[in-house]
Amino acid sequence: GAGVSQSPSNKVTEKGKDVELRCDPISGHTALYWYRQRLGQGLEFLIYFQGNSAPDKSGLPSDRFSAERTGESVSTLTIQRTQQEDSAVYLCASSLVTGGLTVEAFFGQGTRLTVV
Amino acid sequence: AQSVTQLDSQVPVFEEAPVELRCNYSSSVSVYLFWYVQYPNQGLQLLLKYLSGSTLVKGINGFEAEFNKSQTSFHLRKPSVHISDTAEYFCAVSVRGTYKYIFGTGTRLKVLA
Repeated sequence: GAGVSQSPSNKVTEKGKDVELRCDPISGHTALYWYRQRLGQGLEFLIYFQGNSAPDKSGLPSDRFSAERTGESVSTLTIQRTQQEDSAVYLCASSLVTGGLTVEAFFGQGTRLTVV
Repeated sequence: AQSVTQLDSQVPVFEEAPVELRCNYSSSVSVYLFWYVQYPNQGLQLLLKYLSGSTLVKGINGFEAEFNKSQTSFHLRKPSVHISDTAEYFCAVSVRGTYKYIFGTGTRLKVLA
């Protein structure tokens, strides 16, 4: 597609339920990122994929959070047993890797998650 | 660890006035620098980027930024703002040869009529 696509755009879930957030990166972009943006705050790095592997998961806040990527394309971020503090906008970005360097990151519109 | 500081959380400015949004970063190595804009209920859009070369970078919508290595700053400027510039602006840094983008906490620009 022309840009990074995320689905759903909005998700309301009950506390304790599991949720899956999806990201379709720009075709050919091997680098993929997940960020979290809490209300009124900056972007918090969650995880980075290079291809299908995740060399840096250091930003995942707890073991309730996991992510995977398949076919060097689609990625899903899964949050198990959601808590109210998980409420945030989850942003996905992708980037082209050229000569071993990543430069500009392109962002999706985000998924607004509300845990009630 | 790299960090990005945006000292102003909110900047109100009247329409057609100039504006400067400040960004400072901490790094002793070469970096790439970015400004992103986020309009209400939208994702982030790249305004401009500094990779190398000229320290004055021009971006979309009339914005420009100047890379100052000695002051580790990358301030964003626009000589005359419009109501439509009302948005959140994020400064970001990426160390060359790495993959991670570190973002500042954002500056909310509010343009007043």
